[in-house]
Amino acid sequence: GENVEQHPSTLSVQEGDSAVIKCTYSDSASNYFPWYKQELGKRPQLIIDIRSNVGEKKDQRIAVTLNKTAKHFSLHITETQPEDSAVYFCAASRGSARQLTFGSGTQLTVLP
Amino acid sequence: DAGITQSPRHKVTETGTPVTLRCHQTENHRYMYWYRQDPGHGLRLIHYSYGVKDTDKGEVSDGYSVSRSKTEDFLLTLESATSSQTSVYFCAISEQTGSYNEQFFGPGTRLTVL
Repeated sequence: GENVEQHPSTLSVQEGDSAVIKCTYSDSASNYFPWYKQELGKRPQLIIDIRSNVGEKKDQRIAVTLNKTAKHFSLHITETQPEDSAVYFCAASRGSARQLTFGSGTQLTVLP
Repeated sequence: DAGITQSPRHKVTETGTPVTLRCHQTENHRYMYWYRQDPGHGLRLIHYSYGVKDTDKGEVSDGYSVSRSKTEDFLLTLESATSSQTSVYFCAISEQTGSYNEQFFGPGTRLTVL
């Protein structure tokens, strides 16, 4: 089955700096890659996703890139703010499987 | 967020007792999922459903069973709870637009097995 590895497990940045979280996946048939943000004690919230027919997607301060050849994808957050502090999870899925396989999460802390 | 609810939100139980968690949706989505979340493991799929009475196992299904008798309800049962099942349990729903699998999560249930 699919295996998703996520790095780093913890990340601290100064407010205003950029943050990058990276994930690799094992199943070359995977075609959907969402990112979730989870604040302490809350549910995971979908923040952005990318599909295998594109290489990059942006939404305001967040962006995701996908390299299908290397089987990795990354989340980029620019101009970080304290409210960006949370745990971020990547995931991968192929349509026929109907399942998401999640990475182990990255605790992002934005220091004021 | 209002489209998915879970009950109970918190439960403390003893080893060996049966426990049932409920997920309820008002979105009429076809797919429903149960995950457990533990430190260092992210979210791991327990069971999922692709329609009424249609269910399948996920990555960590041992010790759990599920049932779906109505589109809106998906029940997770621990037949005989063990301390290793202490966790936060999340339900998710998906309509699976096209061939993609956008999932949206419920608020979670924190279960403690003593």
